Amino acid sequence: AQSVTQLGSHVSVSEGALVLLRCNYSSSVPPYLFWYVQYPNQGLQLLLKYTSAATLVKGINGFEAEFKKSETSFHLTKPSAHMSDAAEYFCAVSDSSGGTSYGKLTFGQGTILTVHP
Amino acid sequence: DAGVTQSPTHLIKTRGQQVTLRCSPKSGHDTVSWYQQALGQGPQFIFQYYEEEERQRGNFPDRFSGHQFPNYSSELNVNALLLGDSALYLCASSHTGGPADTQYFGPGTRLTVL
Repeated sequence: AQSVTQLGSHVSVSEGALVLLRCNYSSSVPPYLFWYVQYPNQGLQLLLKYTSAATLVKGINGFEAEFKKSETSFHLTKPSAHMSDAAEYFCAVSDSSGGTSYGKLTFGQGTILTVHP
Repeated sequence: DAGVTQSPTHLIKTRGQQVTLRCSPKSGHDTVSWYQQALGQGPQFIFQYYEEEERQRGNFPDRFSGHQFPNYSSELNVNALLLGDSALYLCASSHTGGPADTQYFGPGTRLTVL
């Protein structure tokens, strides 16, 4: 069974500081990995995805994530936080076998990012 | 191009009632998945519909059922509502066979059970 662990339910940074949100996964087959962002009272917006091409993935709004197989990690980073980045971030995994998972996503518990002036 | 749409936005029901939630997928998508997101939690997979059939199901009781129509839109039905069914219900659409079957989410329906 697949699982995702997001380390830190709350992360607080200053505006302009580095953002680092941690995600570790468990999967018996090569995974597809995703980061989604959720603003208050809204649905989930796809930030970026890893699908076994380049291990460093660039997404929207200046975010990027690096797939590290040896560490089973897919941490999300942004060099300089903006106030508008304040939201909840979810890491998710699906398996790459296609025929059995059909893209079903298993999510972590989420990390709330607070950005203060 | 319209994204994934869901209706209604909010819904209040009482215990024991039944509810139907609706979802229209993104243009070009043929697969609809439903997730339940309880307060403070990550979304949990309920089931997925493709070619008008339930293709995969998560760990949810039979009170949760669904349907997919020929135009790929979908409904989620919940019978005999419990207080614990209060949550944000998210619909996601994808194209089976597309890149990683990437799912795109709608804004959700907030269900409150009193």
